[in-house]
Amino acid sequence: GAVVSQHPSWVICKSGTSVKIECRSLDFQATTMFWYRQFPKQSLMLMATSNEGSKATYEQGVEKDKFLINHASLTLSTLTVTSAHPEDSSFYICSARGGWLAKNIQYFGAGTRLSVL
Amino acid sequence: GESVGLHLPTLSVQEGDNSIINCAYSNSASDYFIWYKQESGKGPQFIIDIRSNMDKRQGQRVTVLLNKTVKHLSLQIAATQPGDSAVYFCAEKSSSASKIIFGSGTRLSIRP
Repeated sequence: GAVVSQHPSWVICKSGTSVKIECRSLDFQATTMFWYRQFPKQSLMLMATSNEGSKATYEQGVEKDKFLINHASLTLSTLTVTSAHPEDSSFYICSARGGWLAKNIQYFGAGTRLSVL
Repeated sequence: GESVGLHLPTLSVQEGDNSIINCAYSNSASDYFIWYKQESGKGPQFIIDIRSNMDKRQGQRVTVLLNKTVKHLSLQIAATQPGDSAVYFCAEKSSSASKIIFGSGTRLSIRP
């Protein structure tokens, strides 16, 4: 089946530093990738949608200069949290959707837990 | 984001019994619905989906029912097992939108 790999699974960083999270579709071409954020005991909140080769579309209230998204190829998208602060600590999850093998179903990575000290 | 943060309701089920998890969706234009299972510390896992031209779809031990009249979706899990313990999210999407919208989720706990 379609597999989405997310790395790292867990990261701790100091306040003010930047953190990059990678999301890869391993066995299908992801025409669209999504980035979500999830706080404890809450649902997933969509941060942005990205299509390969074009700029990401951010949801209302999400700072595009703080959460940089790059979708350079059909199998890779990255989310960079710039100048991270403790309030950015959360569970970040990527998702990918593509054709044929993935049957246009949206599959999710395992998530990245970010802790900002 | 478009999903609302709420404290998760919990469904407690005896092992071996059937579980029914309900979801009310909001957009009458939604024509595609998905159920995801999320275990602690992991990303959501696709379980089953259904399109609006159907009212029932079955998978392995799972059945999804769709009632468009009242905008209600349910997930039935037969013979619930300890491994079914997780948070279950319904999600909806319209053909005109690129993104899916998640519901608030239900925690399923299994009593031995």
